[in-house]
Amino acid sequence: GAVVSQHPSWVICKSGTSVKIECRSLDFQATTMFWYRQFPKQSLMLMATSNEGSKATYEQGVEKDKFLINHASLTLSTLTVTSAHPEDSSFYICSAREESSGLTGELFFGEGSRLTVL
Amino acid sequence: RKEVEQDPGPFNVPEGATVAFNCTYSNSASQSFFWYRQDCRKEPKLLMSVYSSGNEDGRFTAQLNRASQYISLLIRDSKLSDSATYLCVVTPVTGFQKLVFGTGTRLLVSP
Repeated sequence: GAVVSQHPSWVICKSGTSVKIECRSLDFQATTMFWYRQFPKQSLMLMATSNEGSKATYEQGVEKDKFLINHASLTLSTLTVTSAHPEDSSFYICSAREESSGLTGELFFGEGSRLTVL
Repeated sequence: RKEVEQDPGPFNVPEGATVAFNCTYSNSASQSFFWYRQDCRKEPKLLMSVYSSGNEDGRFTAQLNRASQYISLLIRDSKLSDSATYLCVVTPVTGFQKLVFGTGTRLLVSP
């Protein structure tokens, strides 16, 4: 089946530094990928929709200048947390759907990236 | 009110038991419904889609009640490996591709 890979799976960084997380669709193309964030014991919250070749669409309350998204190819989207602070510590998960499956096809998730900001 | 609400549990059941989870959603125009399973510190994985007529996949049965705006998941003959958090997921009308997740219901199956 379709596979979405995320890297790194976990990262620890100092406050004020930037962290980049990669999301790749390994065996299918995805013009749209989604970035979610999950705090402990809470639901996944959509942060933004990443669109290949154009600007990402951010959900209300998500700072686009803090969470930079780049979707440069049909198989890669990156999320950069800029000037990270301890409150940004969370589980970040990307997802993508096979283009051929249409809008109701299964959404595949990456393994997630656990960010800890000291 | 949250868009998707679930009882967080945990539901503690013995092996072989039947357990049911409910989920309510607030947007009456929601289009698609799913149950996902999430193991601790792992990504969610699709368990099953939920169709208007109800559907079954082995030991799992999903039901949708649009009038009351709730979705249910029934697990029969629980296995130890069923222990996980079950996420109710809804696709709102706007932004059809987006998924809105409930906080999940935790299930613990004991020997």
